[in-house]
Amino acid sequence: GAVVSQHPSRVICKSGTSVKIECRSLDFQATTMFWYRQFPKQSLMLMATSNEGSKATYEQGVEKDKFLINHASLTLSTLTVTSAHPEDSSFYICSARDQGQGDSPLHFGNGTRLTVT
Amino acid sequence: EDQVTQSPEALRLQEGESSSLNCSYTVSGLRGLFWYRQDPGKGPEFLFTLYSAGEEKEKERLKATLTKKESFLHITAPKPEDSATYLCAVQDTTGGSYIPTFGRGTSLIVHP
Repeated sequence: GAVVSQHPSRVICKSGTSVKIECRSLDFQATTMFWYRQFPKQSLMLMATSNEGSKATYEQGVEKDKFLINHASLTLSTLTVTSAHPEDSSFYICSARDQGQGDSPLHFGNGTRLTVT
Repeated sequence: EDQVTQSPEALRLQEGESSSLNCSYTVSGLRGLFWYRQDPGKGPEFLFTLYSAGEEKEKERLKATLTKKESFLHITAPKPEDSATYLCAVQDTTGGSYIPTFGRGTSLIVHP
């Protein structure tokens, strides 16, 4: 149980274009999903908390107009990197926990490797 | 502010050579300590949750233990397939966001 699916696994795009990443909870409902960014040999950096039916909460220093988050249902959250630039190249990972189980662990997708050329 | 420090940063072992990874933490009140395994290019895979000092969890060659200030992940007779980065995360009792704080991980390489 507690499977999180993330697509695509890797994407290459040109500078100035936008890229959408999907995160789905397959066997549970999640009112909250989390988006992380990971740099080589670094830990997970929380970018934003995605809330079903309401606005996302962004961490300090994360541009909300650049990283658009939509959480339209209890099983789907999307992250859109707008007007991507080479410095946005990174590994993006989403996670979620079963609704209503605040003490339970987060379960992660397999990540999306974004390369902006 | 919660803090999580993992050591060592990297560890190389020979197959069969047992060792331990450390996770030291500072929280106002522990709501849970989590261990994850992360393979290159993949998302973290959940291993264990520990909630209170003295608690232990085991899975195959891995055993996680918890005290009031740190957690250990013991690896007994490791195999090359145990090579991965192991992440530790803590969740505190303050607020209602339930967002864990992650350490930087220990990169483990097990040589055959």
